[in-house]
Amino acid sequence: DTAVSQTPKYLVTQMGNDKSIKCEQNLGHDTMYWYKQDSKKFLKIMFSYNNKELIINETVPNRFSPKSPDKAHLNLHINSLELGDSAVYFCASSIGVGTPYEQYFGPGTRLTVT
Amino acid sequence: AQSVTQLGSHVSVSEGALVLLRCNYSSSVPPYLFWYVQYPNQGLQLLLKYTTGATLVKGINGFEAEFKKSETSFHLTKPSAHMSDAAEYFCASGGYQKVTFGTGTKLQVIP
Repeated sequence: DTAVSQTPKYLVTQMGNDKSIKCEQNLGHDTMYWYKQDSKKFLKIMFSYNNKELIINETVPNRFSPKSPDKAHLNLHINSLELGDSAVYFCASSIGVGTPYEQYFGPGTRLTVT
Repeated sequence: AQSVTQLGSHVSVSEGALVLLRCNYSSSVPPYLFWYVQYPNQGLQLLLKYTTGATLVKGINGFEAEFKKSETSFHLTKPSAHMSDAAEYFCASGGYQKVTFGTGTKLQVIP
């Protein structure tokens, strides 16, 4: 019974295309996140939502747009994909906002832009 | 601003040997500290965390970490490495809303 799920697991696309990654959590958590992990395994937060409200928006190109239709879902849409967008994108959730709370990570989506 | 430094991007130990993964943090306020593990092609999962209270924290799979404020360290240890411990380990530090991750340490366990 998957706690945090992401689709697709792999995404291969060409430069200039638009793509979306979907995330769902069945933990009843209020807060969800998107992280980007580069080829050197460096993990950087991109966005965080609490009860569908954006609370963290790091320095991310505005080609990236998160959307939270409800507390259980946080999708990531990327416009005009670039080579540098190639990475593994992780969705995560936590019971509340604030760092004492453990984050539960999805399995990741490996995006390859050619 | 929070920052986390993990010393050693790769650590190799023999099966049965002590595992020691080093983490130092910088923070202007007492931090929340975490260790996460990432197995190949999987997401991260929490090993242990320090918020307040006892400075020696025990986690899953026999791992523990000690918060040392004077050294600004939160090193991860396990007395005896097992082959299944081979993975990437991330130390993380949290302020109010955001968790900052270190660059990770890849643990190799040699039979």
